[in-house]
Amino acid sequence: QKEVEQDPGPLSVPEGAIVSLNCTYSNSAFQYFMWYRQYSRKGPELLMYTYSSGNKEDGRFTAQVDKSSKYISLFIRDSQPSDSATYLCAPSTGGGNKLTFGTGTQLKVEL
Amino acid sequence: GAVVSQHPSWVICKSGTSVKIECRSLDFQATTMFWYRQFPKQSLMLMATSNEGSKATYEQGVEKDKFLINHASLTLSTLTVTSAHPEDSSFYICSAGEIAGGSYNEQFFGPGTRLTVL
Repeated sequence: QKEVEQDPGPLSVPEGAIVSLNCTYSNSAFQYFMWYRQYSRKGPELLMYTYSSGNKEDGRFTAQVDKSSKYISLFIRDSQPSDSATYLCAPSTGGGNKLTFGTGTQLKVEL
Repeated sequence: GAVVSQHPSWVICKSGTSVKIECRSLDFQATTMFWYRQFPKQSLMLMATSNEGSKATYEQGVEKDKFLINHASLTLSTLTVTSAHPEDSSFYICSAGEIAGGSYNEQFFGPGTRLTVL
């Protein structure tokens, strides 16, 4: 079993839709939960991170962590074609420690 | 945000040759740099963690004699793929962690280097 599981997609939605991206993990020592966005042939860029359980909102993006079920979610509201990318969850045991990436979910937002 | 550069952005080499990839933090000092490899449609796999002035820590299954890492300064780390073979063809990405106070130190990723070994 992989430490971090993520549906690879692809996920195709119409512009304006609410998108839900999810990950599950097995390591209970994970404390920080990052979401990265990666465009084709580029390095990942950090969207947001959450510490421990709870919600965090940043503009159109909301990250949710449920440590009891080891479940991580990223919601995108009012999705735009520019949101088309691969989204990777990456939990970590500590603030500066190594990241364990999921396989990434490829999202396509269509006009 | 902080900027990390990689050079070259892409390289094609013959089998058996060595290739060096540079990772630089442009506007901050990085105590730690990480090297990842990403195959098509797969996730980033951590290869090694590099701390300035000390030996790199390699992940299980990564050959340290094949993937030489040098972190000579707080702004530069290099990855050398020695005696490259076609199976080493991949997208190599580095990240750098900023020296900062607080409970979380973000990793900033470089744009990646695409290596093709013929």
